[in-house]
Amino acid sequence: NAGVTQTPKFQVLKTGQSMTLQCAQDMNHNSMYWYRQDPGMGLRLIYYSASEGTTDKGEVPNGYNVSRLNKREFSLRLESAAPSQTSVYFCASSERWLSNQPQHFGDGTRLSIL
Amino acid sequence: GDSVTQMEGPVTLSEEAFLTINCTYTATGYPSLFWYVQYPGEGLQLLLKATKADDKGSNKGFEATYRKETTSFHLEKGSVQVSDSAVYFCARSNTGKLIFGQGTTLQVKP
Repeated sequence: NAGVTQTPKFQVLKTGQSMTLQCAQDMNHNSMYWYRQDPGMGLRLIYYSASEGTTDKGEVPNGYNVSRLNKREFSLRLESAAPSQTSVYFCASSERWLSNQPQHFGDGTRLSIL
Repeated sequence: GDSVTQMEGPVTLSEEAFLTINCTYTATGYPSLFWYVQYPGEGLQLLLKATKADDKGSNKGFEATYRKETTSFHLEKGSVQVSDSAVYFCARSNTGKLIFGQGTTLQVKP
């Protein structure tokens, strides 16, 4: 019953450092998503992968890159971290790229950039 | 562009009180509508959904009806419990993407 697993759960970086957030789902879902959550702003979509082999920009893609490694895994990379990227990051997946599909979320990665 | 607007929180209620959290959405296309709940330190969990006008989603005593005429999807529960304390997010779909409201914090006191 793992669902969506994110690693790490917490991370502190210095400005300019790089890191990759990992996400894996075991539900055989086709679509995967990365969001950031900031106080009072809900969740904002960074990037998504509608199906294996495709990735597209969401609402706030600047400063991020993604890789859909295979059907299970979708990683988010910060090449040069900035304090504005301090946030909680959530990965999600859905069975298909359709408007009626609910998304299943991981527990998040809490990232602080000093 | 598409958007979702929720009532601002925090909403503070006594146990067994009636809950309403208002949500309105932009009416472009034929979106599905969702309510998610987030408990402290956790990710979002689907609470309920409705995929077309006049549909009622329900789960764990919570209900919401897809109102196309008022572009609303208000969340209701007849009698809240302390364990319902959480942040509630309304969302609408845009193809396979979700657009979230800003979230409403609910605090239920014994």
